Amino acid sequence: GQQLNQSPQSMFIQEGEDVSMNCTSSSIFNTWLWYKQDPGEGPVLLIALYKAGELTSNGRLTAQFGITRKDSFLNISASIPSDVGIYFCAGPSTETSGSRLTFGEGTQLTVNP
Amino acid sequence: NAGVTQTPKFRILKIGQSMTLQCTQDMNHNYMYWYRQDPGMGLKLIYYSVGAGITDKGEVPNGYNVSRSTTEDFPLRLELAAPSQTSVYFCASSYVSYEQYFGPGTRLTVT
Repeated sequence: GQQLNQSPQSMFIQEGEDVSMNCTSSSIFNTWLWYKQDPGEGPVLLIALYKAGELTSNGRLTAQFGITRKDSFLNISASIPSDVGIYFCAGPSTETSGSRLTFGEGTQLTVNP
Repeated sequence: NAGVTQTPKFRILKIGQSMTLQCTQDMNHNYMYWYRQDPGMGLKLIYYSVGAGITDKGEVPNGYNVSRSTTEDFPLRLELAAPSQTSVYFCASSYVSYEQYFGPGTRLTVT
């Protein structure tokens, strides 16, 4: 089946630093979604991307839909302690119907004050 | 709107017991989903539903059952609990698009 590979698996950064993470697939995706999961909570949708090359921002977060349609990137500028959590990429499976999503295994972000 | 609500928040089961995890959404979404998340892992789809009366299996359906008698509710049933079902369970819903909204989760331990 389709798989999404996220890197890095974990990041330890200082408050104020910028963060970059990415998500790649061997298959083409027509939609990319980025979610954040706070400790002990459910994932929350951050950004949805629907067009190759699209660049979308949500506050200090910026995500890009890769031009090959096989990757996506998430950047966080000027990180703060509340950015701590797990960031997941997701995309719709082209092998099935019903708005099913395939999720990556996440990037765990730790921000040291 | 409360969004997606799940009960209970936590549960401990003995091997062989059964239980139902409840999920309700008040956004009039057609699609509903059940995922499990094992420690340090991503989300695996158990079952999903595209509307009342219609359900289908996801990646990891064995040991689980679902029903969808109304648009709002999508309960997940564990018939004979096994230690391998120790996990965090998330319910989600979406309207038509892929933008799924998640509940807060149920943390289940089977001992």
